[in-house]
Amino acid sequence: AQTVTQSQPEMSVQEAETVTLSCTYDTSENNYYLFWYKQPPSRQMILVIRQEAYKQQNATENRFSVNFQKAAKSFSLKISDSQLGDTAMYFCAFMVGGSNYKLTFGKGTLLTVNP
Amino acid sequence: NAGVTQTPKFQVLKTGQSMTLQCAQDMNHNSMYWYRQDPGMGLRLIYYSASEGTTDKGEVPNGYNVSRLNKREFSLRLESAAPSQTSVYFCASRVGAATYEQYFGPGTRLTVT
Repeated sequence: AQTVTQSQPEMSVQEAETVTLSCTYDTSENNYYLFWYKQPPSRQMILVIRQEAYKQQNATENRFSVNFQKAAKSFSLKISDSQLGDTAMYFCAFMVGGSNYKLTFGKGTLLTVNP
Repeated sequence: NAGVTQTPKFQVLKTGQSMTLQCAQDMNHNSMYWYRQDPGMGLRLIYYSASEGTTDKGEVPNGYNVSRLNKREFSLRLESAAPSQTSVYFCASRVGAATYEQYFGPGTRLTVT
């Protein structure tokens, strides 16, 4: 079974600064995908960024980037130039390819961006 | 194009009552999923439907049943609600084949007293 661990229940950052959220996972699979989802107070789940395990290059989406360390089974999210609208719960998630693509989520990190 | 819709948005039940949570998607997706989210926990998979006509158990299926009514609709039924089923329920859909992105509905907040 796959497990996803987010060791930081809460974090805070000043507006315009950079913050990194941690995620580790455990699996024996080789074909898998990793995701970061954002859940603002509206409760909507929003996909922030994804990484295919077979790709060595770290994914980036505008101000969001990941540090994917496959050997260490680590997948951290870096948010640059933090904005007030980034305040949300962030979930790291794991999916095994070809297994009906079921998502396994971590418990989440509540990020607060302060003005 | 509404994406994934869920009804109702909120519901309060008494212990032992039954109800069905509805989910529909208009994106012609093949796969659909039901998750629950509890405080301090990430989302956990209850049931999923890889394609029309098939359903399978996820991580926490006890106390629930599902129906894939057609390609668009995937309902979740609580036959005899219990306080432990108080949660926020999310439906999601995926195109299918080798695609992996799931699109989530807005969620249903269910309270069982």
